[in-house]
Amino acid sequence: QVHLVQSGAEVKKPGASVKVSCKASGYTFTSYGISWVRQAPGQGLEWMGWISAYDVNTNNAQKFQGRVTMTTDTSTSTAYMELRGLRSDDTAVYYCARDSDFHPFWGQGTLVTVSA
Amino acid sequence: DIQMTQSPSTLSASVGDRVTITCRASQSIRSSLAWYQQKPGKAPNLLIYKASILESGVPSRFSGSGSGTEFSLTISSLQPDDFATYYCQQYNSYSRTFGQGTKVEIK
Repeated sequence: QVHLVQSGAEVKKPGASVKVSCKASGYTFTSYGISWVRQAPGQGLEWMGWISAYDVNTNNAQKFQGRVTMTTDTSTSTAYMELRGLRSDDTAVYYCARDSDFHPFWGQGTLVTVSA
Repeated sequence: DIQMTQSPSTLSASVGDRVTITCRASQSIRSSLAWYQQKPGKAPNLLIYKASILESGVPSRFSGSGSGTEFSLTISSLQPDDFATYYCQQYNSYSRTFGQGTKVEIK
């Protein structure tokens, strides 16, 4: 069965960077992309971007362009999302999701707290 | 970017009610629409994709319809497990956008 297992919670100071990992299993990693979605406390879902695990093509939401980098490591079937220049409003749960346009499989979420 | 607008933001209903949530796209997305259910502290769960195709394992009381810019999710007979927040998502291009969510509450 498909599993996406994310790295643990992070606490960061404003201006720092965070890198969240998402290890996939149960399917051929390079056959699908990975989307990253975040959810601020009490708020809705926000799509951040997508990376193809096949050809490393990416597409990020305009809001995050220049501040987010998505990468993959096919040798370990792991996707990564790095967000730079953290602000307090980046405090959120960050999810990875297998992308076949829609998202039938999700990671458990990683809480990133940005606080001085 | 394509904007997705859901209505209502909150819906109060009773067990057994038929409820409908609507989602409007700012431009045509053909049938490139999915619906998710999310419960507090959990990742979203895919209910419907391609506007009307029920994901495997999802109860048949859920149904989706629409194309172009107007879509709807209907729960034919609300069950206790259905009180949650529902999101639409478009995937017409390489980008995706979620609606702002509809919280279904107990009346």
